[in-house]
Amino acid sequence: DQQVKQNSPSLSVQEGRISILNCDYTNSMFDYFLWYKKYPAEGPTFLISISSIKDKNEDGRFTVFLNKSAKHLSLHIVPSQPGDSAVYFCAALYTSGTYKYIFGTGTRLKVLA
Amino acid sequence: DAGITQSPRYKITETGRQVTLMCHQTWSHSYMFWYRQDLGHGLRLIYYSAAADITDKGEVSDGYVVSRSKTENFPLTLESATRSQTSVYFCASSWQGGETQYFGPGTRLLVL
Repeated sequence: DQQVKQNSPSLSVQEGRISILNCDYTNSMFDYFLWYKKYPAEGPTFLISISSIKDKNEDGRFTVFLNKSAKHLSLHIVPSQPGDSAVYFCAALYTSGTYKYIFGTGTRLKVLA
Repeated sequence: DAGITQSPRYKITETGRQVTLMCHQTWSHSYMFWYRQDLGHGLRLIYYSAAADITDKGEVSDGYVVSRSKTENFPLTLESATRSQTSVYFCASSWQGGETQYFGPGTRLLVL
């Protein structure tokens, strides 16, 4: 049972344009949602997060949107840069009762120069 | 060095052998985690630990054993390695189970 899903395994975007990465979840009990970025041969690094009580969080070129009714979150990168080319994982966390931290399967973003 | 480190970075072993992957962090984070990354599955939690001597299973714990006698170390042992355990293993830590996890560079394990 995949509680956090990233249905697009890959995405290509032109430099300077917007990149939109999507993530769906099934459990309405999650407290936080996060995005991590991963370069080859490195561990994932935290990018941005959003609390379940908010619907938007912005950090520079990165914005995460949360649509609780649709159980959907998205990461917008504007403008996209070649250095943004990486695998992006969404993750969801809840700490009520059993601690759960669940990652999606990842989306490989390629930003074309 | 400060941060979170993993050793070895690469390991080749044979089916049936015992293998231990090491993880060390210098931040005194209370929570530590082990994940495996496989194509099509993303990152899956093997075990986590909320503090020294407290560990709990994740979604893919079969065939793995962990211990946490000291806050800074969280070794992962494959008691009898199988080919299905060929993977990239990541250790992570976080401050008191907070939302941000900090990952090590990974260990690439090949079981022949």
